Amino acid sequence: QVQLQESGPGLVKPSETLSLTCTVSGGSISNYYWTWIRQTPGKGLEWIGYFYYSGSIDYNPSLKSRVTILLDMSKNQFSLKVNSVTPADTALYYCARMCGGSRWYTLDHWGRGALVTVSP
Amino acid sequence: DIQMTQSPSSLSASVGDRVTLTCRASQSISSYLNWYHQEPGKAPKLLIYAASTLQTGVPSRFSGSVSGTDFTLTITSLQPEDFATYYCQQSYSTPYTFGQGTKLEIK
Repeated sequence: QVQLQESGPGLVKPSETLSLTCTVSGGSISNYYWTWIRQTPGKGLEWIGYFYYSGSIDYNPSLKSRVTILLDMSKNQFSLKVNSVTPADTALYYCARMCGGSRWYTLDHWGRGALVTVSP
Repeated sequence: DIQMTQSPSSLSASVGDRVTLTCRASQSISSYLNWYHQEPGKAPKLLIYAASTLQTGVPSRFSGSVSGTDFTLTITSLQPEDFATYYCQQSYSTPYTFGQGTKLEIK
């Protein structure tokens, strides 16, 4: 059974970089879209972006200038970096596996989530 | 971006009731629509994909349908574990977007 687990600092200062890692166990990181999503009480669920194992990437335009998603196949991990954070980036961050093709995409496995607070 | 609008935002019902939740897309997305449910303190879990196909292991009391840009999730004979928040999500185009959720509460 595939499992995902987020890890990283729970507190980040404004203007600094938020960094999270997602470790995938119980399955290969190949053949899927590795995705980050965040959730806040105000904006709900927000798709951040994905990294496809073949190298294609797509980011939410609202975050594109500040976001980087990378894949480390040797460690079965993928990561998220968000630069120049503000309190508005405070959220519960989920990593998830997206599968499918030709628009029939689903988020079929999720991590438990990592709460990141942006505060001085 | 494609806007997904769910209604109602909250709904009170009793065990054994039948409920219908609605999700409307701001433009045509064919059947590229998924439903998730989220229990408090847990990650969302895939329920239905392609508007009407149940994910493996999801009970048959759940069903989904589509009419134009309107999508419905119906739960017949509510069970205690069904009281949660339900989200729709379109996979037609990026950025993939979610509805704001419908919180299903016990009456």
